[in-house]
Amino acid sequence: RKEVEQDPGPFNVPEGATVAFNCTYSNSASQSFFWYRQDCRKEPKLLMSVYSSGNEDGRFTAQLNRASQYISLLIRDSKLSDSATYLCVVNVHLGGGADGLTFGKGTHLIIQP
Amino acid sequence: SQTIHQWPATLVQPVGSPLSLECTVEGTSNPNLYWYRQAAGRGLQLLFYSIGIGQISSEVPQNLSASRPQDRQFILSSKKLLLSDSGFYLCAWSIGETQYFGPGTRLLVL
Repeated sequence: RKEVEQDPGPFNVPEGATVAFNCTYSNSASQSFFWYRQDCRKEPKLLMSVYSSGNEDGRFTAQLNRASQYISLLIRDSKLSDSATYLCVVNVHLGGGADGLTFGKGTHLIIQP
Repeated sequence: SQTIHQWPATLVQPVGSPLSLECTVEGTSNPNLYWYRQAAGRGLQLLFYSIGIGQISSEVPQNLSASRPQDRQFILSSKKLLLSDSGFYLCAWSIGETQYFGPGTRLLVL
């Protein structure tokens, strides 16, 4: 079973629409969860952390369901600049107090004018 | 504020040649440092991490090695590159759970 699974897409969405991504993770011991955004041929950049109570940052809302090991990201009023690949990320504790990140392969989003 | 640098940005190397990629972090002390690789069509894979000078842990067996000669310097090396070493190499730093990535080095082995 893959550690972090995401629908690769692409999701083709008209500008202004609402779009939702989901991912599932297999390691029930994971404690920290994130969504990163990666533009073509660029490094991943942190979009937001995901908290158990759910959290919102402007047009972006993230939800975590620990029982189902499921994470979601909702983007409202989508903009052309939201076009990117969205990576679902969970942590794994490594030795010495370091945290490694396990990445999904990403969901590709295309916002169409 | 913290910044992370990687170089070179792009590299084309023949099979069997050596490799040295460098990563430096500014604006923080004693960060955890990481090397990841993103191969075509695959997710990011953690290769090495370091919690301090001279302390390197490897996550996957391969023909690559890493070193941390200074607190904010992390180097990825190979004595002989393989075709399968092609990919996008990303260095990251963290203090706490969140990791921040450098701009990456795109390596093509021919």
